Amino acid sequence: QQQVKQSPQSLIVQKGGISIINCAYENTAFDYFPWYQQFPGKGPALLIAIRPDVSEKKEGRFTISFNKSAKQFSLHIMDSQPGDSATYFCAASSLSSGSARQLTFGSGTQLTVLP
Amino acid sequence: KAGVTQTPRYLIKTRGQQVTLSCSPISGHRSVSWYQQTPGQGLQFLFEYFSETQRNKGNFPGRFSGRQFSNSRSEMNVSTLELGDSALYLCASSLDTYNEQFFGPGTRLTVL
Repeated sequence: QQQVKQSPQSLIVQKGGISIINCAYENTAFDYFPWYQQFPGKGPALLIAIRPDVSEKKEGRFTISFNKSAKQFSLHIMDSQPGDSATYFCAASSLSSGSARQLTFGSGTQLTVLP
Repeated sequence: KAGVTQTPRYLIKTRGQQVTLSCSPISGHRSVSWYQQTPGQGLQFLFEYFSETQRNKGNFPGRFSGRQFSNSRSEMNVSTLELGDSALYLCASSLDTYNEQFFGPGTRLTVL
């Protein structure tokens, strides 16, 4: 019930291409879905987050698409750059249940953008 | 504004020992959460403290404990270390329950 499944495990794209990472969840109490970016030797950094009352959110080159009925959400990175090469984690938590800070993370996607 | 700081950055211990890790949140942040990151299990929530009170706890044995001080600084303690406790321990702070969490760089614990 608490699991968040993330795919693919690794992704290689060419510079300028679109990177797409998918996540699926089971717990219908989840109502907050952030994406984190992590570089080696660093802690995760929040990229973008979405609540289930919207189906899409865009910030710069990063877009989250959310499908509440399918319990899936995805991250799209447009015009991917070599500097985007990092590990990306999706996560979920329940703001309404008092467990807002208890993030359940996906297993991560190692993105490599070739120059 | 200074970010989340964690000390020490690297630590080597042997089985059976205990260890204390420290986290200083961003100034003004009252919520501190701890996560364990391993290649096998990924990122897993340990616990969260808010105003010196533990609000949530993940599915970890009682050997893992924590506390928060009045200045919001937090410590976590692991007793009777096991090889499987080798991990990157991450601390995250946020202003309150509904705001973004900012992660520190982590403490890399190696248990021999």
